[in-house]
Amino acid sequence: QKEVEQNSGPLSVPEGAIASLNCTYSDRVSQSFFWYRQYSGKSPELIMSIYSNGDKEDGRFTAQLNKASQYVSLLIRDSQPSDSATYLCATLRKGRPGTYKYIFGTGTRLKVLA
Amino acid sequence: GAGVSQTPSNKVTEKGKYVELRCDPISGHTALYWYRQSLGQGPEFLIYFQGTGAADDSGLPNDRFFAVRPEGSVSTLKIQRTERGDSAVYLCASSLEQYGGYTFGSGTRLTVV
Repeated sequence: QKEVEQNSGPLSVPEGAIASLNCTYSDRVSQSFFWYRQYSGKSPELIMSIYSNGDKEDGRFTAQLNKASQYVSLLIRDSQPSDSATYLCATLRKGRPGTYKYIFGTGTRLKVLA
Repeated sequence: GAGVSQTPSNKVTEKGKYVELRCDPISGHTALYWYRQSLGQGPEFLIYFQGTGAADDSGLPNDRFFAVRPEGSVSTLKIQRTERGDSAVYLCASSLEQYGGYTFGSGTRLTVV
């Protein structure tokens, strides 16, 4: 089982709809979660972080965390064609003593249809 | 600089050759990471530097891979005796501390032919 799992997609939604991207993780002690957006041929860009159970909103983006279910999601309201990208879910995991590193899922490709 | 700078942006090399990939992090960022991303996959951790020292090199796939950061700023990832399986985008990221978000560079696309 991969540590961070995402459906690779593509997830296609019409312009103006809500896009819902999901992620599950296997390490129950994970505390910090991040969503990165990656346009084709570009590097990942941080869009949201979430550390506590519940919802966190930032503009059109809402991150949701449910630690009991080991589930993280990202909602994009009023989806735009410019939101078309791959969305990477990541958790922070302990590495060597005193260190932490991101573990990424494979990403979900989102296509917003005009 | 304003962002994380990686050079070269593209590198094509022959199997068996040695390559060096360079990363110039955001000024003042003491944490520096190297990741590798293959097509259709998420970034895979290689190595983490805190200052000049490699605090976690557990992601380096084998002893052909080595990285340095001698002055706590610029880092170089070195790959000896390259193999076709090393072909990927090598991403560098930096941050002020370990627990928050990273800023990634634009990556070096390595192709081993």
